[in-house]
Amino acid sequence: GQQLNQSPQSMFIQEGEDVSMNCTSSSIFNTWLWYKQDPGEGPVLLIALYKAGELTSNGRLTAQFGITRKDSFLNISASIPSDVGIYFCAGPPHSGSARQLTFGSGTQLTVLP
Amino acid sequence: ETGVTQSPTHLIKTRGQQVTLRCSSQSGHNTVSWYQQALGQGPQFIFQYYREEENGRGNFPPRFSGLQFPNYSSELNVNALELDDSALYLCASSLDRGKYNEQFFGPGTRLTVL
Repeated sequence: GQQLNQSPQSMFIQEGEDVSMNCTSSSIFNTWLWYKQDPGEGPVLLIALYKAGELTSNGRLTAQFGITRKDSFLNISASIPSDVGIYFCAGPPHSGSARQLTFGSGTQLTVLP
Repeated sequence: ETGVTQSPTHLIKTRGQQVTLRCSSQSGHNTVSWYQQALGQGPQFIFQYYREEENGRGNFPPRFSGLQFPNYSSELNVNALELDDSALYLCASSLDRGKYNEQFFGPGTRLTVL
């Protein structure tokens, strides 16, 4: 089936630092979504991207839809303790059901004081 | 506006038993999707319900079944539980005619199979 590869698998950063993570696929995606999941909670949508090359911001978060439609990245600027959590990329693959989301395996972010 | 709610929050079952998990969709949303999230993994799509009918299914065996009710709430049923069914089960609702890929998730039900 379709797979999304996220990297890095985990990150340890100092508070105030910027963070960058990415997501790649062997297949084309029409939409890229970035979610954050806190322990014991469901994923929360952070940013949605709908066009190749699109760059979208949500506060300190910025995400881009890769031109090839096979990748996306998420940047977090000036990290704070509440940024801790697992970040997932997701999307409906071009050849699959428009309503079925495929998720990456996540990037675990730890922010050190 | 009420978000997606799920019940129960935690559940412990033994192998071979059956379980029913419940989900209430966000107000105004008519589509419900179910996902299984094993420890350390991303969510995996089980199936989706739209207007009370199954509208897409992932790679899960028939012992995983579901229902959607006229008020758009939904149930996930799993028969003949196996140890590997232990996971967080997430429900997500969406407004089909809106941003169709924006699914809003509930907090999940943690199922442990002993």
